[in-house]
Amino acid sequence: GAGVSQTPSNKVTEKGKYVELRCDPISGHTALYWYRQSLGQGPEFLIYFQGTGAADDSGLPNDRFFAVRPEGSVSTLKIQRTERGDSAVYLCASSLRQGGDYGYTFGSGTRLTVV
Amino acid sequence: GENVEQHPSTLSVQEGDSAVIKCTYSDSASNYFPWYKQELGKGPQLIIDIRSNVGEKKDQRIAVTLNKTAKHFSLHITETQPEDSAVYFCAASLNSGGYQKVTFGTGTKLQVIP
Repeated sequence: GAGVSQTPSNKVTEKGKYVELRCDPISGHTALYWYRQSLGQGPEFLIYFQGTGAADDSGLPNDRFFAVRPEGSVSTLKIQRTERGDSAVYLCASSLRQGGDYGYTFGSGTRLTVV
Repeated sequence: GENVEQHPSTLSVQEGDSAVIKCTYSDSASNYFPWYKQELGKGPQLIIDIRSNVGEKKDQRIAVTLNKTAKHFSLHITETQPEDSAVYFCAASLNSGGYQKVTFGTGTKLQVIP
């Protein structure tokens, strides 16, 4: 596609529920990143995929968070037993190369609200 | 890990004036420094970047400078316009386990007053 697409744009869920957030990167971009942005803060790294594999998941806050990218394109971020502290904007980005100094293209994010 | 600090957190300027945003980073191995602009309800958009082997880069009304010795880098916007109003993030990137890991600053909310 022309840009990085994230769905849904907004998600309201009850505490304790399970949610899935979807990211559709730019076609041909092998690198995909998930970031979390709390109000008034910069994006914080969660996980990086190169192709189908999670090359760096050191930013995932705990084992309630998990992400997959089974075919090397679309990725899903999964959050189990959601907590109010999980409320944030979840941003996905993709880039053309694994390494190097190529800037990311971000999606518009999914605003998650846990009530 | 890398730590990026950004100042000021908010900045108001009159239309036509210049705006300067400053950042510092902690890891001397960082070698790429992108700047992003984020408008309300949208994801950050890359506006300019600089590599560690370059001291300054300019693109129309925006310029970035990098002082590797001091680990400082700055964004300069000249002749500001109302559409420049947004949140700006600096970032530092270093090679971590074979890929470029990007750490963002906390953002500067720029308001350009017509």
